[in-house]
Amino acid sequence: SAVISQKPSRDICQRGTSLTIQCQVDSQVTMMFWYRQQPGQSLTLIATANQGSEATYESGFVIDKFPISRPNLTFSTLTVSNMSPEDSSIYLCSAGGGAWDEQFFGPGTRLTVL
Amino acid sequence: RKEVEQDPGPFNVPEGATVAFNCTYSNSASQSFFWYRQDCRKEPKLLMSVYSSGNEDGRFTAQLNRASQYISLLIRDSKLSDSATYLCVVTPTDKLIFGTGTRLQVFP
Repeated sequence: SAVISQKPSRDICQRGTSLTIQCQVDSQVTMMFWYRQQPGQSLTLIATANQGSEATYESGFVIDKFPISRPNLTFSTLTVSNMSPEDSSIYLCSAGGGAWDEQFFGPGTRLTVL
Repeated sequence: RKEVEQDPGPFNVPEGATVAFNCTYSNSASQSFFWYRQDCRKEPKLLMSVYSSGNEDGRFTAQLNRASQYISLLIRDSKLSDSATYLCVVTPTDKLIFGTGTRLQVFP
């Protein structure tokens, strides 16, 4: 199994600012993903964080708004740029061997944008 | 049509009851199937994988019907600690697609 930590656990931000969320895994993993979970909703995949190359974004999500880094096999960051109240959500990272293996989730970052 | 559909519930059941959740998926090319559990204000955690032959883990039984594109989860002898949201997860490609979840509330 993998243990995943995220920082910060929560934040309250002003409109127009940016926040970078960090995700640290306690072991090397092949795949890392970033999800968003809005209140009362299920998880929506934002992107796959690829080590050594650009992230792969899902429909409706773009690099300018959600830049992602993955410098190695245990760490990734997601930035939420130029925030608006609609970005208020929980952001979760996950890691695993791929879609056919169990994915482990971080505890999430609860973001509120005023 | 959503890729993965679940009845959001809530299902309110007494302790000891048997409860079943259903899930349908739209992509017939889906390869793997899972049930995840998410407690309030917590991250999702894998409950069990779902195999074509069906599988059981203690009080939990999962079944897959590929022809009908249908997955089920049966919980027997419900406990108060089973109260959570149960997420149906399907992998049509190389990523997980989550259903909206079914909320279960077990009462004494």
